[in-house]
Amino acid sequence: DSGVTQTPKHLITATGQRVTLRCSPRSGDLSVYWYQQSLDQGLQFLIQYYNGEERAKGNILERFSAQQFPDLHSELNLSSLELGDSALYFCASSRGESSNYGYTFGSGTRLTVV
Amino acid sequence: AQTVTQSQPEMSVQEAETVTLSCTYDTSESDYYLFWYKQPPSRQMILVIRQEAYKQQNATENRFSVNFQKAAKSFSLKISDSQLGDAAMYFCAYRSAKAGGTSYGKLTFGQGTILTVHP
Repeated sequence: DSGVTQTPKHLITATGQRVTLRCSPRSGDLSVYWYQQSLDQGLQFLIQYYNGEERAKGNILERFSAQQFPDLHSELNLSSLELGDSALYFCASSRGESSNYGYTFGSGTRLTVV
Repeated sequence: AQTVTQSQPEMSVQEAETVTLSCTYDTSESDYYLFWYKQPPSRQMILVIRQEAYKQQNATENRFSVNFQKAAKSFSLKISDSQLGDAAMYFCAYRSAKAGGTSYGKLTFGQGTILTVHP
C-alpha cells in the first residue's frame, strides 16, 4: 500500500456520461498530480494541485476538470465522455510543490467508456 | 518542452542475467532530475531509482544502476542478476528542477519498455 488511495478501482460508463475519480494523498502530502495512461498516448500529465491551488496544467481537455479540497483529497471530473477517454487514471502525491525523490502513485482507476 | 524517448518497446532477459534499458531525453535545461519507474501487472507505479543531473556519479540501488551521460542526454537502466519479479513495464521520467516554472512539478514520461524475464 503506497498510502495514496484512489477510488473507484474500476469504472464502466457510457459515452456522454460524467464520472468523478477520487484521490486521497499520502498523509502529510500537499501536492496531488493526475496522470492519464492510455495505449496510444502513454502516460500524460493532466494537472497538479498544491494545497488547494492549481499549480501546473498539462494536456487536460476542457471536458475534464479537477479540484483539491481543504482536506487535501482531490477529484478529477470527466464529462461528455468519449470512447477515447478509456484509460488508466493515476493520482500521485508529494510533500511539497514537487519532489526530488519522485512521487508516490496510487494504484489507479481503470475507466472504460462503452 | 522536454521529451523523453525509450526506443525499446520490448526487451527480454534470462533469469540471473543482466539487461540494460535505454532512455534519451531532450531538454535545454541544465538542472533536472531523472527517474526510472516500474509498473508490474498490478499497475502500481513504483520508483526504482533517481538521478540528479548535477551529480556526475551514477545512482545505484541494489541490483539497479544507471548510466547517466549528461552531454549525450542519455539515462539507461541496468538490472543485474535479473529476477522473475523484475518483469514489468519500465518508464523513464524527467522533471525540471527550475523552481516556480509552470511545469515545475510535472513528470514527463517515456513510452515505456516491457521487460520479460525468462526462467
